[in-house]
Amino acid sequence: GAVVSQHPSWVICKSGTSVKIECRSLDFQATTMFWYRQFPKQSLMLMATSNEGSKATYEQGVEKDKFLINHASLTLSTLTVTSAHPEDSSFYICSARDPWAGGLDEQYFGPGTRLTVT
Amino acid sequence: DQQVKQNSPSLSVQEGRISILNCDYTNSMFDYFLWYKKYPAEGPTFLISISSIKDKNEDGRFTVFLNKSAKHLSLHIVPSQPGDSAVYFCAGYSGNTPLVFGKGTRLSVIA
Repeated sequence: GAVVSQHPSWVICKSGTSVKIECRSLDFQATTMFWYRQFPKQSLMLMATSNEGSKATYEQGVEKDKFLINHASLTLSTLTVTSAHPEDSSFYICSARDPWAGGLDEQYFGPGTRLTVT
Repeated sequence: DQQVKQNSPSLSVQEGRISILNCDYTNSMFDYFLWYKKYPAEGPTFLISISSIKDKNEDGRFTVFLNKSAKHLSLHIVPSQPGDSAVYFCAGYSGNTPLVFGKGTRLSVIA
């Protein structure tokens, strides 16, 4: 199946600094990518929908100035957590939609990035 | 309003027996339903899906049943294996919308 990678897989940063997380579709072109956040014992919460070449669409309650999303190419989307605080510590997961999946428009998930803000 | 509900947060099953994970939804516009499996500190991996026009889809040990009138779907795993221990999420979507996930059910398969 299609492969989506994320980098880094784990990052620790100090409060007030910014962190960039990359999401790449390795063997297909993804016009749409999604960013999710998972809190402990909770479901995956959609943060934003990222379309190549246009601004991301953020879900209600997600600060667009804090979570900057750039979908610069058909295989790369980045999430930058700006001025990180300990409450931003979480597991961030991206997914990419393969528009050529044929029939079922599947989303393929990356392995996730664990962010710890100290 | 939670569009996808997994009311059982956890389930324990003995190895070799059947695991049944349930999911209810409220959005009648969903075209597809998918089940994902997730290990700790990893991204979800796709397991099996079903179109809203079908009532059953089978793939090896995994079978998903859809009851549209009841807005209910279930994932059957038989026989259950210790490696199946993970959190299982059901999700639905329609058109070009993102997936809407349930909160997940933690399955423990006991050897």
